[in-house]
Amino acid sequence: EIVMTQSPATLSVSPGERATLSCRASQNVKSNLAWYQQKPGQAPRLLISGASTRATGIPARFSGSGSGTEFTLTISSLQSEDFAVYYCQQYDNWPRTFGQGTKVEIK
Amino acid sequence: EVQLLESGGGLVQPGGSLRLSCATSEITSNKYALAWVRQAPGKGLEWVSVISSGTGSTNYADSVKGRFTISRDNSENTLYLQMNSLRAEDTAVYYCAKMFCTDTSCNFFDYWGQGTLVTVSS
Repeated sequence: EIVMTQSPATLSVSPGERATLSCRASQNVKSNLAWYQQKPGQAPRLLISGASTRATGIPARFSGSGSGTEFTLTISSLQSEDFAVYYCQQYDNWPRTFGQGTKVEIK
Repeated sequence: EVQLLESGGGLVQPGGSLRLSCATSEITSNKYALAWVRQAPGKGLEWVSVISSGTGSTNYADSVKGRFTISRDNSENTLYLQMNSLRAEDTAVYYCAKMFCTDTSCNFFDYWGQGTLVTVSS
């Protein structure tokens, strides 16, 4: 099973600032990586697939990069609605596995 | 637009059974692969099971293999998860999700339901 490790666990950011979230895979997953956003009491929402392709309707301030074992989700200028938990997920191997999440909170 | 609505959650004793349902808006002719993903209280996401379109082949996480059964009824536009021999560690919100698939594999989850809570406790 591929283990996904996200860092940091919590990121405190002021509105308008940039947020950089990391995700590391225990083995090479190529570009087979997705990112999700989850707000309290809500289902996750797909943000990015293929490590860098935004899903339909996702604002351009969200960007993904990386390949292999190291990946990054960047939110260029945090808006109030962006404070949430973010998960990465690999889809190179079964079982599909998620990271433990990074909580982005208001500083 | 794909819409997913789970039901069937509740409180069940350890060792008991429960069947979850997921009503979908579009499932015609085995169109989509569908999955269950769960989230224990205050924890992260865990893929549980998937059923493919077409052949209806299934796959399970090791943590539920032999205890859970995924199935679909296309005539009723409904996905199911039969859960037997439930344990305290199965307590979670269970989400129904559509998987984005290519010709060769089903990859990520592009549509999600709102979830249904399963609590396993005596």
